[in-house]
Amino acid sequence: NAGVMQNPRHLVRRRGQEARLRCSPMKGHSHVYWYRQLPEEGLKFMVYLQKENIIDESGMPKERFSAEFPKEGPSILRIQQVVRGDSAAYFCASSPFGLAGAFSGANVLTFGAGSRLTVL
Amino acid sequence: AQSVAQPEDQVNVAEGNPLTVKCTYSVSGNPYLFWYVQYPNRGLQFLLKYITGDNLVKGSYGFEAEFNKSQTSFHLKKPSALVSDSALYFCAVRDEEGSGTYKYIFGTGTRLKVLA
Repeated sequence: NAGVMQNPRHLVRRRGQEARLRCSPMKGHSHVYWYRQLPEEGLKFMVYLQKENIIDESGMPKERFSAEFPKEGPSILRIQQVVRGDSAAYFCASSPFGLAGAFSGANVLTFGAGSRLTVL
Repeated sequence: AQSVAQPEDQVNVAEGNPLTVKCTYSVSGNPYLFWYVQYPNRGLQFLLKYITGDNLVKGSYGFEAEFNKSQTSFHLKKPSALVSDSALYFCAVRDEEGSGTYKYIFGTGTRLKVLA
């Protein structure tokens, strides 16, 4: 079981370019969460997705940011026209059943190692 | 909406001494509370959770946490700290979205430094 896979691990972009971050959840997990970690600011929720469905995008900036989790393939977090303030670590996490359920593995997120975006 | 607060940005403790990392919460309804740890350049790792039952929850690497309803706290503890425990620790609460879906709300993190 390969766990949650994120790529690229490190991405450098110039201002105005696009950044695409990918996340493959753990096998059997159908719920994906994206978080952003800024230095000294902790972990901020961005978006929560199921396959082909956005459950909650209340943490996503209104412009330039979008996320998808297609029926086939990884979840993608897309940032258009990046600015220096987008530089951060972006973490993906997955869970089975959207954190509901009574079994022992319920309510636990499994995180990827993160993608570190640097905007020059 | 649910929230958690970690009042300390950093905690320093000598190796072998007991450690406590503080967390307080604000929820409506029954709280689902969690601790995660993050080592440098890594993702977060689950340590332990409180859903129901005993107020003292035991988790990975010898950590435990005490749920205190009257003080709305869920402090992380370890009887004897190791240098390898030095990391960033996050408290989290489950926030219900409705229709059986949920998300986590994380605290701002506490950096634990264990001194040899």
